[in-house]
Amino acid sequence: GNSVTQMEGPVTLSEEAFLTINCTYTATGYPSLFWYVQYPGEGLQLLLKATKADDKGSNKGFEATYRKETTSFHLEKGSVQVSDSAVYFCALSDRLAGGATNKLIFGTGTLLAVQP
Amino acid sequence: EAGVVQSPRYKIIEKKQPVAFWCNPISGHNTLYWYRQNLGQGPELLIRYENEEAVDDSQLPKDRFSAERLKGVDSTLKIQPAELGDSAVYLCASSFGQSSGNTIYFGEGSWLTVV
Repeated sequence: GNSVTQMEGPVTLSEEAFLTINCTYTATGYPSLFWYVQYPGEGLQLLLKATKADDKGSNKGFEATYRKETTSFHLEKGSVQVSDSAVYFCALSDRLAGGATNKLIFGTGTLLAVQP
Repeated sequence: EAGVVQSPRYKIIEKKQPVAFWCNPISGHNTLYWYRQNLGQGPELLIRYENEEAVDDSQLPKDRFSAERLKGVDSTLKIQPAELGDSAVYLCASSFGQSSGNTIYFGEGSWLTVV
């Protein structure tokens, strides 16, 4: 079945450090890939997405490239801020041949803590 | 534009009691989802509606959970009776259309504690 695996946290970084959160996926169809962020006490917000291989999603300084050959969608940011502290979820939405589906399957989430 | 609205935000109930959650999706979004998020885990789909039709309820525990989306807009999710293991965040989400690339927008969630 379809699944998403992301690195376990917590990830603790100092401000302005480089961030990588690894995400790999297993899918039978042609998935779209997403990163969602959940700030403390808030709901899930879409951070970025990519709908086909080699696409790069980007937002707020975060980037992720859809790598079909390695089935990965790693999240990166060049210089993190304290305000980036949150839980980050990698997710996929599979598009099956002959039909449309929009069911998100999430990873377990990675807690990022950025210290000043 | 208003986002997905859920209520109540927080609910504490005793086991065996009923509880209901309400969701108002983004205007014009025909697809509505209920997800459950256990502590330290990613959300898991309970049920998905296309307009008023439930098209995927395979993960909904039908012995105690029920949902409805009358008129294809607002939706309610009910648990009766609640069990200790039902403590979780119940997330409502909506999107326009079924394409896998369409963005799904989430509400802030209803935090349930069963004691």
